[in-house]
Amino acid sequence: DGGITQSPKYLFRKEGQNVTLSCEQNLNHDAMYWYRQDPGQGLRLIYYSQIVNDFQKGDIAEGYSVSREKKESFPLTVTSAQKNPTAFYLCASSDGTGGTGELFFGEGSRLTVL
Amino acid sequence: GQNIDQPTEMTATEGAIVQINCTYQTSGFNGLFWYQQHAGEAPTFLSYNVLDGLEEKGRFSSFLSRSKGYSYLLLKELQMKDSASYLCAVRLHGSSNTGKLIFGQGTTLQVKP
Repeated sequence: DGGITQSPKYLFRKEGQNVTLSCEQNLNHDAMYWYRQDPGQGLRLIYYSQIVNDFQKGDIAEGYSVSREKKESFPLTVTSAQKNPTAFYLCASSDGTGGTGELFFGEGSRLTVL
Repeated sequence: GQNIDQPTEMTATEGAIVQINCTYQTSGFNGLFWYQQHAGEAPTFLSYNVLDGLEEKGRFSSFLSRSKGYSYLLLKELQMKDSASYLCAVRLHGSSNTGKLIFGQGTTLQVKP
């Protein structure tokens, strides 16, 4: 079945360590997105990519980095420069070729920094 | 800056109708989305409006007025499983369906028996 796979689902890390969250999609979608969600809050955009080898900063990109070397993959690295990395991270993709272009989300990765 | 406002919390009774409002002030507009999110889960797509008017989908309807920067999500015949957060989101770019999509803070709806 087509979909978006995020891994790991739960991740614990010590302060000062970089961590990479994986996001893979087999929907053949052009665009991919990373959002962060804190308890009781909406989704805030970290980075997004409309096409392979290109990406743009969202509203809270500081302390994060991404790459888009393949259409299917959009990994997110949470670096030690991110001051409050503990959060629920959601990856999404959308089809730019027609329809509404709604986002399809992965199951999320919950990162806890100890 | 971009601003999307929704009420933080709402409560309604099973079987009733509830309307969740969303107002937005953004630098661009290429569609408004509503998503449902149950606690601890990923959001799921409910509806999309790009032109003014009402879109109906079963028990859910969504309305858009671009001139007023206003949308609402209407839920009819409420069921207990409708207890969730409802997220309003605006796509900013005017020429692509892959443009930047920003979300409001979400409205947590509690349905009571």
